[in-house]
Amino acid sequence: KAGVTQTPRYLIKTRGQQVTLSCSPISGHRSVSWYQQTPGQGLQFLFEYFSETQRNKGNFPGRFSGRQFSNSRSEMNVSTLELGDSALYLCASSLEGQYQETQYFGPGTRLLVL
Amino acid sequence: AQRVTQPEKLLSVFKGAPVELKCNYSYSGSPELFWYVQYSRQRLQLLLRHISRESIKGFTADLNKGETSFHLKKPFAQEEDSAMYYCALSGFGDVGGNKLTFGTGTQLKVEL
Repeated sequence: KAGVTQTPRYLIKTRGQQVTLSCSPISGHRSVSWYQQTPGQGLQFLFEYFSETQRNKGNFPGRFSGRQFSNSRSEMNVSTLELGDSALYLCASSLEGQYQETQYFGPGTRLLVL
Repeated sequence: AQRVTQPEKLLSVFKGAPVELKCNYSYSGSPELFWYVQYSRQRLQLLLRHISRESIKGFTADLNKGETSFHLKKPFAQEEDSAMYYCALSGFGDVGGNKLTFGTGTQLKVEL
């Protein structure tokens, strides 16, 4: 099976702009999670989607949002970008999003905010 | 609140030496513990998880609930083991979805 794919791989934006990142999970996986990775804070959970519904949310401001489509593909959006939003954004998928399931990660989208 | 602690940022060992990467966790319920690895220029991938009780690439990890630890061990380090290792926790009973809480990671460097 093809792995988790993320587009775009690299992105440069300026402060105040908004950005949309896309994630395609492994075929058959219905749960998609998003994580932010920075040198200072490490890997932090953003949110998780299952059957087009957000089931779990991390401690991030409302500028961070996401959605999931009926084919399980997911997008995340960051509005009013700040310099501190520069990070690697990782998407992960799993079958049902149960706590004991393995999550499979994509290569990430590297966002640079200038 | 759940927390995962990896006390070592960098661990340097010689090839053939034993390896132990430390991981301690804090969680009030029943956790599932994972070790993820990231090799240079590759994506984050699962190395092993407690529920499977597998040995992958010679690595093992035992969940010690008394000490709330899930240390990763390998008796003889290989050059190809050089990578970034993350310990992660997922909590049974968390409201919806398997949210992973990660440690800060340990960079393992195996020297010849």
